[in-house]
Amino acid sequence: GNSVTQMEGPVTLSEEAFLTINCTYTATGYPSLFWYVQYPGEGLQLLLKATKADDKGSNKGFEATYRKETTSFHLEKGSVQVSDSAVYFCALSDLGNTPLVFGKGTRLSVIA
Amino acid sequence: KAGVTQTPRYLIKTRGQQVTLSCSPISGHRSVSWYQQTPGQGLQFLFEYFSETQRNKGNFPGRFSGRQFSNSRSEMNVSTLELGDSALYLCASSPTSGGKNSPLHFGNGTRLTVT
Repeated sequence: GNSVTQMEGPVTLSEEAFLTINCTYTATGYPSLFWYVQYPGEGLQLLLKATKADDKGSNKGFEATYRKETTSFHLEKGSVQVSDSAVYFCALSDLGNTPLVFGKGTRLSVIA
Repeated sequence: KAGVTQTPRYLIKTRGQQVTLSCSPISGHRSVSWYQQTPGQGLQFLFEYFSETQRNKGNFPGRFSGRQFSNSRSEMNVSTLELGDSALYLCASSPTSGGKNSPLHFGNGTRLTVT
């Protein structure tokens, strides 16, 4: 079945550091890929998405590129801020009406 | 536009009891999905309703059930509660069924504690 594997956290970075959170997936078809973010005490919200190979999703300084050859969708940001502290979830959806499958999440803490 | 509203925010129940959680989707959204979030298992899909019909179901026992009303509001019910049911239950809505073609909009969740 479909699955998503994320790097284990927590990840602690200093402000302005470079961020990478690794995500790889297994899917039977051609999935769409997503990153969701969960701030403390809140639900998840969509951060970015990519629907086909070589697509790059971007939002709020975060980027991720859909790499079919390596089945990866790593999240990157060039300079993190304290306000980026949250849990980040990689997810995929395969066929049109199947539910999202989420990775286990990576907690990011950014310190000033 | 109001977001997804889940009530109550917190619940404390005793083993063996039952509980009902409520979710009001964003106006115009016809799909409502439920997820269970725990530290050990992460986010696990419970079920999805679209236009009052269950479209998808996750791998949970029959003690977990749900329904959707004609105004798209949804409820989920857990009967005969077990300690392992303690979790954050998240509801998400979207205009269409499934998550591939339109993003999910999540509520802030209901934190259920079973003692």
